[in-house]
Amino acid sequence: QKEVEQDPGPLSVPEGAIVSLNCTYSNSAFQYFMWYRQYSRKGPELLMYTYSSGNKEDGRFTAQVDKSSKYISLFIRDSQPSDSATYLCAMHSGGGADGLTFGKGTHLIIQP
Amino acid sequence: DTGVSQDPRHKITKRGQNVTFRCDPISEHNRLYWYRQTLGQGPEFLTYFQNEAQLEKSRLLSDRFSAERPKGSFSTLEIQRTEQGDSAMYLCASSLGDRKEAFFGQGTRLTVV
Repeated sequence: QKEVEQDPGPLSVPEGAIVSLNCTYSNSAFQYFMWYRQYSRKGPELLMYTYSSGNKEDGRFTAQVDKSSKYISLFIRDSQPSDSATYLCAMHSGGGADGLTFGKGTHLIIQP
Repeated sequence: DTGVSQDPRHKITKRGQNVTFRCDPISEHNRLYWYRQTLGQGPEFLTYFQNEAQLEKSRLLSDRFSAERPKGSFSTLEIQRTEQGDSAMYLCASSLGDRKEAFFGQGTRLTVV
């Protein structure tokens, strides 16, 4: 079992819909949680950053962390065709000097 | 542009050749990371610098790979005797202080033929 599981999709939804993207993880030491957006052949772009459990909202994006269930979510409201991309979840335990642990990414398609 | 800069963006090389990539982090960021990403996968951690010190290497970083950050500013990643399995996107990221969120460059896409 990988440390971070993420459904690769593709997930196709109509424009204007609410999108829900999710990751599960097995390492209970993870405390820092991030969502990145990656367009084809580009580097990942940081969207959301949260520490421990709870919700965080930024514009059309909401990130949720449930540490008790080892489950994180990203919601996108009023989805736009420009949101079509791969969304990567990433996590860090906060200790040591190692880097982020990523999911495989979910390929999202917003249909105009 | 004050983001992370990587050069070159694309590199095609023959198997057995050596290649070197460069990364310029965000100027005030003291931490610099290298990741590798293959098609359909998330980025995988390779190595990490805090200022000029290389503090950690992943088991993915074979002895053909070497990274430097000579003055705590830009970094280079060299792959010696490239193999077809080295074909991937090589991503550089930087972060500030103890913050865990990292900012990525656009990557160097390596193709070994």
